[in-house]
Amino acid sequence: ETGVTQSPTHLIKTRGQQVTLRCSSQSGHNTVSWYQQALGQGPQFIFQYYREEENGRGNFPPRFSGLQFPNYSSELNVNALELDDSALYLCANQAGTFADTQYFGPGTRLTVL
Amino acid sequence: GEDVEQSLFLSVREGDSSVINCTYTDSSSTYLYWYKQEPGAGLQLLTYIFSNMDMKQDQRLTVLLNKKDKHLSLRIADTQTGDSAIYFCAERDTSGTYKYIFGTGTRLKVLA
Repeated sequence: ETGVTQSPTHLIKTRGQQVTLRCSSQSGHNTVSWYQQALGQGPQFIFQYYREEENGRGNFPPRFSGLQFPNYSSELNVNALELDDSALYLCANQAGTFADTQYFGPGTRLTVL
Repeated sequence: GEDVEQSLFLSVREGDSSVINCTYTDSSSTYLYWYKQEPGAGLQLLTYIFSNMDMKQDQRLTVLLNKKDKHLSLRIADTQTGDSAIYFCAERDTSGTYKYIFGTGTRLKVLA
């Protein structure tokens, strides 16, 4: 158990809809990263937030956006859902961008029909 | 480019040792990781090694790092059926985000 929680656990949406996924923060962990893990693949980096500001982004379109709140919890928003967005979405906390370890939550499984 | 490679499958008998291999691309990576993922679950950190080390041992787990060949391995001694899972190696990117770059995972099946 890492102490990182994500909600919801599972979600089913249809193409074109919008979705918001949530991630808690452990005390003192001011940096959060989001990853997308498609079936049979390793996680791919979406973006990172550090103290409420985006601190880097992977190769994902702008319809993937995020927020980090003053308590360091975070949201991932995806607009105009596509079938290929079906995946496990993982968030990871760390204590600063230089920290040597990221602690992953259990993930949210998103299915787009 | 960013490409961490792993073999897809490994099958061993209970009680034997398992060795999972990984090659990474960024010779300046400072940290390399092994994660375990059980079906339907998130990622569990098993161990990590700092780049100035050649070997790290943690109970049944031994990590070997060959920086010259950019090769990382995870040895699991006395493999148990509960070790059946997907194992991911990851390197920490050296850019400002220090994001993790994961391999595609190795599915370990332990036969009783």
